Amino acid sequence: DAMVIQNPRYQVTQFGKPVTLSCSQTLNHNVMYWYQQKSSQAPKLLFHYYDKDFNNEADTPDNFQSRRPNTSFCFLDIRSPGLGDAAMYLCATSPKGGLVTEAFFGQGTRLTVV
Amino acid sequence: GNSVTQMEGPVTLSEEAFLTINCTYTATGYPSLFWYVQYPGEGLQLLLKATKADDKGSNKGFEATYRKETTSFHLEKGSVQVSDSAVYFCALTRGVYKLSFGAGTTVTVRA
Repeated sequence: DAMVIQNPRYQVTQFGKPVTLSCSQTLNHNVMYWYQQKSSQAPKLLFHYYDKDFNNEADTPDNFQSRRPNTSFCFLDIRSPGLGDAAMYLCATSPKGGLVTEAFFGQGTRLTVV
Repeated sequence: GNSVTQMEGPVTLSEEAFLTINCTYTATGYPSLFWYVQYPGEGLQLLLKATKADDKGSNKGFEATYRKETTSFHLEKGSVQVSDSAVYFCALTRGVYKLSFGAGTTVTVRA
């Protein structure tokens, strides 16, 4: 089945140690998103790619970066994780079109910072 | 900007009870509206959607109607099951390629 796959499902990192989360998709969608979801809160959009065009949300901290080397893969880099960055990170995709018709989500990576 | 306000939870129901989760929106233009469901430890799954006024989205016994006059998109199910226990998010399109989510409503169904 075509899908969005996030690895790993659970990631533990040390305070201040760079960490990378990965996302791959077999849907061939043009748009890929990274969301941060803290406990009992709505997902918060960090940034998205339309093909190779990167679009950062105005309130996304500089500590968060992203790379999209090709259509299928997208990475979230946290340069110096703090305790406040512990959250579920969700990758999503959306097909090309005039409006987002729906977003397809991966299962998420739960990040713990120790 | 476009945003949604969602009924606060948690909501606890018995099996076969009727479920309603209220969602109202503020938007410019004509956004598409969605309900997503998140089961414990999982990502979000699209439950249903409506792309224009008076559209009714439906799936797995859940329904929601896009009401422009009341700016609402309430989720309903006539008879819930234990397997419906999850967090439900109302969402709408924001700009061309973005979604805005409500805060989520936790639903627990007891046998």
